[in-house]
Amino acid sequence: DIQMTQSPASLSASLGETVTIECRASEDIYNGLAWYQQKPGKSPQLLIYNANSLHTGVPSRFSGSGSGTQYSLKINSLQSEDVASYFCQQYYDYPFTFGSGTKLEIK
Amino acid sequence: EVQLVESGGGLVQPGSPLKLSCAASGFTFSSNWLNWIRQAPGKGLEWVASINPDGSSTYYPDTVKGRFVVSKDNAKNTGYLQMNNLRSEDTAMYYCARGPNWFAYWGQGTLVTVSS
Repeated sequence: DIQMTQSPASLSASLGETVTIECRASEDIYNGLAWYQQKPGKSPQLLIYNANSLHTGVPSRFSGSGSGTQYSLKINSLQSEDVASYFCQQYYDYPFTFGSGTKLEIK
Repeated sequence: EVQLVESGGGLVQPGSPLKLSCAASGFTFSSNWLNWIRQAPGKGLEWVASINPDGSSTYYPDTVKGRFVVSKDNAKNTGYLQMNNLRSEDTAMYYCARGPNWFAYWGQGTLVTVSS
């Protein structure tokens, strides 16, 4: 199975700041990576697919990058509504696996 | 509008079966993959099953293989997750999501609690 190591586990940042969340795969996943946002008590929502493609309706302050085994999610100009947990997911191979999540708070 | 609505969760004893349903609307269900993902209380996400559009192929992780069966009824626009021999570690919120590989649309989830 492909292991997804996500960091940091938690993050505190100020409004307007730029934050970056990382995911490292245990082997090359050839850009088969998605990012999700989950607000408390809600279902996860897709942000990014294919490592760098923005899902419909997602604000452009979210962006994804990376290749091979290293991927990142960047949030520019942090806003209060971005408080949530964020998860990466690889779909290059079965079983699909998720990162352990990053909890983002406002400082 | 794409909608996925799960139902069928509840409190069951260890070793019991339970069948979850996922009612779909707002898209062509018969042309889409259906997936189930779960989340234990306060924990991360775990993929548990996928089925292809016509239902001829299914996929599971080792943690549920042999106990869970995913299916879909394209005539009823409904997907199912039959869970057998449930264990305490199966306690989680269960979500259905539209595939095939990234999950663009999710339901609101149904809670399954396995406890004596």
